[in-house]
Amino acid sequence: NAGVTQTPKFQVLKTGQSMTLQCAQDMNHNSMYWYRQDPGMGLRLIYYSASEGTTDKGEVPNGYNVSRLNKREFSLRLESAAPSQTSVYFCATSLVGAEETQYFGPGTRLLVL
Amino acid sequence: GENVEQHPSTLSVQEGDSAVIKCTYSDSASNYFPWYKQELGKRPQLIIDIRSNVGEKKDQRIAVTLNKTAKHFSLHITETQPEDSAVYFCAATLSNSGYALNFGKGTSLLVTP
Repeated sequence: NAGVTQTPKFQVLKTGQSMTLQCAQDMNHNSMYWYRQDPGMGLRLIYYSASEGTTDKGEVPNGYNVSRLNKREFSLRLESAAPSQTSVYFCATSLVGAEETQYFGPGTRLLVL
Repeated sequence: GENVEQHPSTLSVQEGDSAVIKCTYSDSASNYFPWYKQELGKRPQLIIDIRSNVGEKKDQRIAVTLNKTAKHFSLHITETQPEDSAVYFCAATLSNSGYALNFGKGTSLLVTP
């Protein structure tokens, strides 16, 4: 089992460009989350999907959109990247109702110039 | 939004000593409190967690205590080893969001031989 996977691992964008970060899990978890991590700021929740077909905003949703494509996949889209979106992005999953533990993917490092 | 405060931001101890990291939270509906360890360039990994109906939990050298009345919880690492050096994050569940997490800003622990 791969667990939680993220693509790409690293990306450089120019201001105004768009891109989609992909997250997939084979753990049969129902809930998925996107966090961003900046130095000294901990992890901040961008969006989450409690179950297939639902998405909700987290603490810092501005400038992002998400799609819960199916139970396995949860993508994060930047429509017009800004330097303030330079960060490390982590996807996480959990099986709400059975255990609350969130398992993290390896992260995507994004640099916006 | 709801906050999780974590202290100290940095902690240096000698090998064999104990380390204590403290967190406070503001959302009285929070009911799940995990602790994650993150090594440089890696993803956060769960090391221990506690639920609101329990006051203390121990796993070998690691223990967590929870005081729901005071809204604070702490991580205790005994007999520290150099491999315990990492950044540690506390978190608390966000109410009305399934089990999305609100993270503290992290504590950088350095264990010197």
